[in-house]
Amino acid sequence: DAEITQSPRHKITETGRQVTLACHQTWNHNNMFWYRQDLGHGLRLIHYSYGVQDTNKGEVSDGYSVSRSNTEDLPLTLESAASSQTSVYFCASSDYGRDTQYFGPGTRLTVL
Amino acid sequence: GQNIDQPTEMTATEGAIVQINCTYQTSGFNGLFWYQQHAGEAPTFLSYNVLDGLEEKGRFSSFLSRSKGYSYLLLKELQMKDSASYLCAVSLASGAGSYQLTFGKGTKLSVIP
Repeated sequence: DAEITQSPRHKITETGRQVTLACHQTWNHNNMFWYRQDLGHGLRLIHYSYGVQDTNKGEVSDGYSVSRSNTEDLPLTLESAASSQTSVYFCASSDYGRDTQYFGPGTRLTVL
Repeated sequence: GQNIDQPTEMTATEGAIVQINCTYQTSGFNGLFWYQQHAGEAPTFLSYNVLDGLEEKGRFSSFLSRSKGYSYLLLKELQMKDSASYLCAVSLASGAGSYQLTFGKGTKLSVIP
């Protein structure tokens, strides 16, 4: 079955370290998205991609970067982790011309 | 900018009916989604409205009024497993057949016996 996976599911890191969260989908979806979810804020868009080599900044992109080298993967990198980036991170994907997004299981990141 | 409002928390009794409201002010509106999210899990798609009116899917129904910027999710015959957060999201066209979702903060529904 086609699916969307994220790894790791849990991560603890230290302030200042570089961290990469993986997102992989097998639906062959054109569009991929990264969100963070925090109490009191709901889901907020970090970065998104509408195809290979395309990346765009979302509402809360500072301190994060993404790259899209193939259809299946959109890794999210925290260049220098900060305690304010402690959160649950969700990856999502949608097909071209469709707005329904399907979410991965999430990664809980703790920055100490 | 986008503004999406929904109640923070609601409590309802098993077997009852509950209505969760969502109001929005956006530009470039394409449609409105409802997602369900159980604690510690990912959001899952529940319903999508693009035209005015009521969409029914089993125990769940969703209503949209585009002119009023208003939607609601109606849950009938509540079950304990319906205890979850319900996320209202607006779909915005961003060109070239692509769309973004902007989410409200979610409504945490607790179903009590």
